[in-house]
Amino acid sequence: GAGVSQSPSNKVTEKGKDVELRCDPISGHTALYWYRQSLGQGLEFLIYFQGNSAPDKSGLPSDRFSAERTGGSVSTLTIQRTQQEDSAVYLCASSLEVGNYGYTFGSGTRLTVV
Amino acid sequence: AQSVTQLDSQVPVFEEAPVELRCNYSSSVSVYLFWYVQYPNQGLQLLLKYLSGSTLVKGINGFEAEFNKSQTSFHLRKPSVHISDTAEYFCAVRGGTNAGKSTFGDGTTLTVKP
Repeated sequence: GAGVSQSPSNKVTEKGKDVELRCDPISGHTALYWYRQSLGQGLEFLIYFQGNSAPDKSGLPSDRFSAERTGGSVSTLTIQRTQQEDSAVYLCASSLEVGNYGYTFGSGTRLTVV
Repeated sequence: AQSVTQLDSQVPVFEEAPVELRCNYSSSVSVYLFWYVQYPNQGLQLLLKYLSGSTLVKGINGFEAEFNKSQTSFHLRKPSVHISDTAEYFCAVRGGTNAGKSTFGDGTTLTVKP
């Protein structure tokens, strides 16, 4: 596609429910990144993919968070048993390759846990 | 480990005045440096990047940044701002053994007043 597409754009969920966030990167981009942005704060790294592999999962806050990427394209970030502190904007970005390329970001998914 | 400090959380400035947004980084290895801009209700987009070579890099919308290795800084400048430059600006660093992960600063909100 022309840009990085994320869905849904907004998600309100009840505490304890599971949610899935989807990211569709730019076609041909081998690297894909997940960050989250809490209100008034910077971007917190979660995980990145090189192809379908995740060399660095160090940013995932807990074992309730998981992510996968299939076919070197679409990625899904899953949060199980959501908590109120999970409320944030989840951003996905992609780049042609890992390395010195800048990121192209999607518009994000705003997750609200009530 | 890498870190980024954006020294000003908010910068108010009048239209047509010059502006400098300050960014300092910490890294034990050579790095790539980036500035991203987030306009109101929009996603982040790449403004400019420093990879190597000339320490003065030019980006979109008339912005430029200077890499200073001895001071570990990468300040963003524009000689004359417009109302439309009102946005949040993020400095990011990437490099070393974890070239897949960018570390972002907390952001600087630039507000241009008429």
